Amino acid sequence: DQQVKQNSPSLSVQEGRISILNCDYTNSMFDYFLWYKKYPAEGPTFLISISSIKDKNEDGRFTVFLNKSAKHLSLHIVPSQPGDSAVYFCAARGSGSARQLTFGSGTQLTVLP
Amino acid sequence: DSGVTQTPKHLITATGQRVTLRCSPRSGDLSVYWYQQSLDQGLQFLIQYYNGEERAKGNILERFSAQQFPDLHSELNLSSLELGDSALYFCASSRLPENTEAFFGQGTRLTVV
Repeated sequence: DQQVKQNSPSLSVQEGRISILNCDYTNSMFDYFLWYKKYPAEGPTFLISISSIKDKNEDGRFTVFLNKSAKHLSLHIVPSQPGDSAVYFCAARGSGSARQLTFGSGTQLTVLP
Repeated sequence: DSGVTQTPKHLITATGQRVTLRCSPRSGDLSVYWYQQSLDQGLQFLIQYYNGEERAKGNILERFSAQQFPDLHSELNLSSLELGDSALYFCASSRLPENTEAFFGQGTRLTVV
């Protein structure tokens, strides 16, 4: 039972354009959402997060949008750069006493020069 | 460099064997998490320790165990290894147990032959 789903295994975008990565979740008890970026042979790196009480969080070129009614999360990267090419994981934190993260399966973003 | 150190980076072992993976968290971080990433899968949460005590358990097999020592480093022990245990094992750490931003190590790639 996948509680966090990233339905697009891969995405290609031209340099300078917008990249939109999507994530859906099923558990309405998640209270915090995070995006991680992962380069080959490295561990995931925290990118940006959003609390369930907000609908948008922005950090430079990265913006995360949360639509609670649709149980949908998206990461926008504008403008996209070749160095953004990586696997992006969305993760959701449980709101109970055990606040572990549940990860999606990841989306490989390729930014073409 | 996330500040989280995992050793070894690579491990090849035979079925039925036992291995120990080691993690040193970032300086000052009290919480350690272990994750397993199998091929083309998201990160599966295994277990969390906070200041030496087990805090949360995920999909960790009975053949697997972990502990966090007084100096806060952690070890993940995998025994009676099977081919299906081949995966990347990540350790992450955070200052607080609430898991709003965890820093990941580079991972240990375990291959069971």
